[in-house]
Amino acid sequence: GGIITQTPKFLIGQEGQKLTLKCQQNFNHDTMYWYRQDSGKGLRLIYYSITENDLQKGDLSEGYDASREKKSSFSLTVTSAQKNEMAVFLCASSRDRAGQNTLYFGAGTRLSVL
Amino acid sequence: GDSVTQTEGQVALSEEDFLTIHCNYSASGYPTLFWYVQYPGEGPQLLFRASRDKEKGSSRGFEATYDKGTTSFHLRKASVQESDSAVYYCALSDTEGADRLTFGKGTQLIIQP
Repeated sequence: GGIITQTPKFLIGQEGQKLTLKCQQNFNHDTMYWYRQDSGKGLRLIYYSITENDLQKGDLSEGYDASREKKSSFSLTVTSAQKNEMAVFLCASSRDRAGQNTLYFGAGTRLSVL
Repeated sequence: GDSVTQTEGQVALSEEDFLTIHCNYSASGYPTLFWYVQYPGEGPQLLFRASRDKEKGSSRGFEATYDKGTTSFHLRKASVQESDSAVYYCALSDTEGADRLTFGKGTQLIIQP
């Protein structure tokens, strides 16, 4: 088996601040994802990457940057935190195409912006 | 674009009740359909999937049947337990080769002992 580790678990930021979330997986999976989870809105895809140094925009990419410098890691940057923003950011990976393979998720990073 | 609709935001039941969570989809191709479950403090995990019309997916007493005619994949369980309390997400990928999944808004299931 494997595991997805997201750091930090909790992140408190200030309005306008640039914030970085990190994700590591030891499944040796090719594809990694960042989803945003808001109450009542489900999971919305921010960015994904099908291999090292690849980046694909999801439905919610505005206001975010991402980086896949190694196969095992995928980071997400909130470029300018919005006041009173509260959300959970979920990282996931899959062996290959999401349509054929199971997505494995981390436990999430909970963001609060003061 | 593709979309998944879960009509119930929250379902509250007692132990041993019958559960139905409705999921309808809209997709251009012939999608693969999924149910994921998220327990408190954890990330979502796959419950099961189905790829063809009339195919039944099942796991841990939960089941759903792919219905292309009504574009539905409703989740059912005959007798729920308190440990089933979680958030349930219906999802689709528009083809088997797709890189990404589209998720519904989720249904919070609360089981009272």
